[in-house]
Amino acid sequence: GAGVSQTPSNKVTEKGKYVELRCDPISGHTALYWYRQSLGQGPEFLIYFQGTGAADDSGLPNDRFFAVRPEGSVSTLKIQRTERGDSAVYLCASSRDRGNTDTQYFGPGTRLTVL
Amino acid sequence: AQSVAQPEDQVNVAEGNPLTVKCTYSVSGNPYLFWYVQYPNRGLQFLLKYITGDNLVKGSYGFEAEFNKSQTSFHLKKPSALVSDSALYFCAGARGNAGNMLTFGGGTRLMVKP
Repeated sequence: GAGVSQTPSNKVTEKGKYVELRCDPISGHTALYWYRQSLGQGPEFLIYFQGTGAADDSGLPNDRFFAVRPEGSVSTLKIQRTERGDSAVYLCASSRDRGNTDTQYFGPGTRLTVL
Repeated sequence: AQSVAQPEDQVNVAEGNPLTVKCTYSVSGNPYLFWYVQYPNRGLQFLLKYITGDNLVKGSYGFEAEFNKSQTSFHLKKPSALVSDSALYFCAGARGNAGNMLTFGGGTRLMVKP
């Protein structure tokens, strides 16, 4: 079946602009995660949804970052007033349910470049 | 607090030789450990995981990993490396008691030479 999809694959924006990154999880997966991967590093957790609600947003770096999942499927990560330090690959993952033994399946990522 | 460490930035091995990619962890409670592989311009692909039970876990593409509680390690192994195994490998851990976030190591680049 189809895996996790993310759009756009690449996004170039200017400092101070607003961006939205979209994630479409595997059908039927109730848990959805956002991670950020900076160059040469491992992914870092941002936020986790169980259904429509954010169950854990402890990884969001500041209040410029926000994510929604209004219908419990597609999620959008929103970044306001982008800064050059926000440049990274943003990864989305989904799993069947909330168990922390469940495998998280990752999408190809969105490469964000802030000029 | 939890952390995962991959002490080697790069591992070089000749095709056909066995390979080991090292991972150590510090996770409170029962550790749940994962290995992922990342090819250029692609997302992370799941290889295997340890939850409980047998310390030797077998996964995709002939990879296996051994959970060692006393050494807090979860090294990835393969008996015979292929050139196509060349990629970036990430070890990750999840807390056993609560929380669903994965904590990743910094990654190890595996280079398999013909």
